[in-house]
Amino acid sequence: ILNVEQSPQSLHVQEGDSTNFTCSFPSSNFYALHWYRWETAKSPEALFVMTLNGDEKKKGRISATLNTKEGYSYLYIKGSQPEDSATYLCAFIKRHNAGNMLTFGGGTRLMVKP
Amino acid sequence: DAGITQSPRYKITETGRQVTLMCHQTWSHSYMFWYRQDLGHGLRLIYYSAAADITDKGEVPDGYVVSRSKTENFPLTLESATRSQTSVYFCASSRQGHNSPLHFGNGTRLTVT
Repeated sequence: ILNVEQSPQSLHVQEGDSTNFTCSFPSSNFYALHWYRWETAKSPEALFVMTLNGDEKKKGRISATLNTKEGYSYLYIKGSQPEDSATYLCAFIKRHNAGNMLTFGGGTRLMVKP
Repeated sequence: DAGITQSPRYKITETGRQVTLMCHQTWSHSYMFWYRQDLGHGLRLIYYSAAADITDKGEVPDGYVVSRSKTENFPLTLESATRSQTSVYFCASSRQGHNSPLHFGNGTRLTVT
């Protein structure tokens, strides 16, 4: 079982604050890293799929970076809004995995206060 | 409308009963997945399928059976439900497996009494 850790587990910020959280994964045999946003009572929605060391992806106020050599990815939210409140999941897949399996982290729950 | 749909949304069943959760996608995605979500465990893969008639075990397959006779459908069957299978189940699909994002259904909340 691969160990994918996300920190912090939860985060409370004020509207307008910028924030970031971390996904740590095994650095050996990296293949791909996914980020998902999961709002309460809904299903997870894909934000980014990242495959190359140094990748930076952006969608609106949300961006992500990837460091496969040291085994981490950061997700940044600029100017948080209440509608950004959600759980953010990362998921990792290892090269030469015996199966096509994403291993999910436990998520970072973000709450943005108006 | 194109998408991925799960049914039922909610199900209560008794220990020992067989129950099937349905998943249907209209994108013709090759890959389909079943996950369960439990407090303290996050999303865990039960089974996945790379194409019709090809299925593989995930992290927690015991007590579950899947089939994929058609590309668009991927039902999950609990052969003899146990209380430990009380969970929220999510079906997902993707075009190319791990290089493509997963598209999730709305989930089925299953309670085994």
